[in-house]
Amino acid sequence: GAVVSQHPSWVICKSGTSVKIECRSLDFQATTMFWYRQFPKQSLMLMATSNEGSKATYEQGVEKDKFLINHASLTLSTLTVTSAHPEDSSFYICSAGPVGVHGYTFGSGTRLTVV
Amino acid sequence: DQQVKQNSPSLSVQEGRISILNCDYTNSMFDYFLWYKKYPAEGPTFLISISSIKDKNEDGRFTVFLNKSAKHLSLHIVPSQPGDSAVYFCAARGNAGNMLTFGGGTRLMVKP
Repeated sequence: GAVVSQHPSWVICKSGTSVKIECRSLDFQATTMFWYRQFPKQSLMLMATSNEGSKATYEQGVEKDKFLINHASLTLSTLTVTSAHPEDSSFYICSAGPVGVHGYTFGSGTRLTVV
Repeated sequence: DQQVKQNSPSLSVQEGRISILNCDYTNSMFDYFLWYKKYPAEGPTFLISISSIKDKNEDGRFTVFLNKSAKHLSLHIVPSQPGDSAVYFCAARGNAGNMLTFGGGTRLMVKP
């Protein structure tokens, strides 16, 4: 149990376009979802925390108008990278919960490449 | 300011020997610590955790030790297997919420 599905697993887009990444909890309801970003050979950096039905809380330095987060249901949160630029190329990972003893389960991640 | 640090970016170990991965933290409000294993282009997979009220937790080949006074935890893998080769992240959670703060990761290579 406690499976989190993240799609797409990889995407290549042109500079200036927008990309939407979905994070779904398949067998549980997720009141909270976290969005992380990982640059090559670096740690996972928390971007924002989203609670179902309310506005996301963004970490310092993360542009909320660029990284739009929607958590309209207990099983789905989306991250939209608007007007993507090459420097937005990264690995984006969501986690959802709370569930079980350890709290949160991670999705499989999305590799975004902006050309 | 990095609140969770893994000072060794990489570690190479012979198959069958012990792997010891270290993690230090600075925030005394952290009360729960987790270790994750991560393969390239995949999300982290939970390995083992420990509450701040304990100093040791064991699960099969994996043991996590916590030294609160030193603000240090370590993950021991014994015996190490080639399939253990991955990047290992330690993470800490404060008592104010469920947000995790991750260390920078250690790449473990287990040689046959």
